[in-house]
Amino acid sequence: DTAVSQTPKYLVTQMGNDKSIKCEQNLGHDTMYWYKQDSKKFLKIMFSYNNKELIINETVPNRFSPKSPDKAHLNLHINSLELGDSAVYFCASSQDLAGALTDTQYFGPGTRLTVL
Amino acid sequence: QKEVEQDPGPLSVPEGAIVSLNCTYSNSAFQYFMWYRQYSRKGPELLMYTYSSGNKEDGRFTAQVDKSSKYISLFIRDSQPSDSATYLCASQGAQKLVFGQGTRLTINP
Repeated sequence: DTAVSQTPKYLVTQMGNDKSIKCEQNLGHDTMYWYKQDSKKFLKIMFSYNNKELIINETVPNRFSPKSPDKAHLNLHINSLELGDSAVYFCASSQDLAGALTDTQYFGPGTRLTVL
Repeated sequence: QKEVEQDPGPLSVPEGAIVSLNCTYSNSAFQYFMWYRQYSRKGPELLMYTYSSGNKEDGRFTAQVDKSSKYISLFIRDSQPSDSATYLCASQGAQKLVFGQGTRLTINP
């Protein structure tokens, strides 16, 4: 009964490939997020969706395209992978938008992407 | 300049010590401040949050915010080996959380 789940957990791929990461939450939350955590543990928001609508796109390259088929799912597709894309990608969800008081964000276990 | 700055450490202390973790932030509009704990190979989880200036205590943990100096602190009393993790401070901006870099903490038995 994992609250926020991501697949795959590990992803190793060659430069130039296209890959997808999937995220699902069973908390009934309205808002989902994608974060990138680099090798120095710096965690930065990439996207947020509220009720399937894109709210935040934090100057992420166009090669990254999120898709939210419904409130419980937020997938991340990455085209033409580059070495600098290597990082841990975290999905998170919250009941409402961050900024709505102290809405707790629940994070998934992360997807460790390595681009060779 | 990052909006939230945090000393990445690493920080290593003996079991039972008092630990002090600190962050600074630059945006005066920030009102809510959080501490997340992240164990190795896991996602961050919310540890504590505070609103505006002041202290908040939860068991062995105390979160402190000083808005006049834009300083955020987390104190851990009677530290345990199970407290070994990366601690990330965060501030709530416009519809998003802004995280510090995280401090890696090790408590040695």
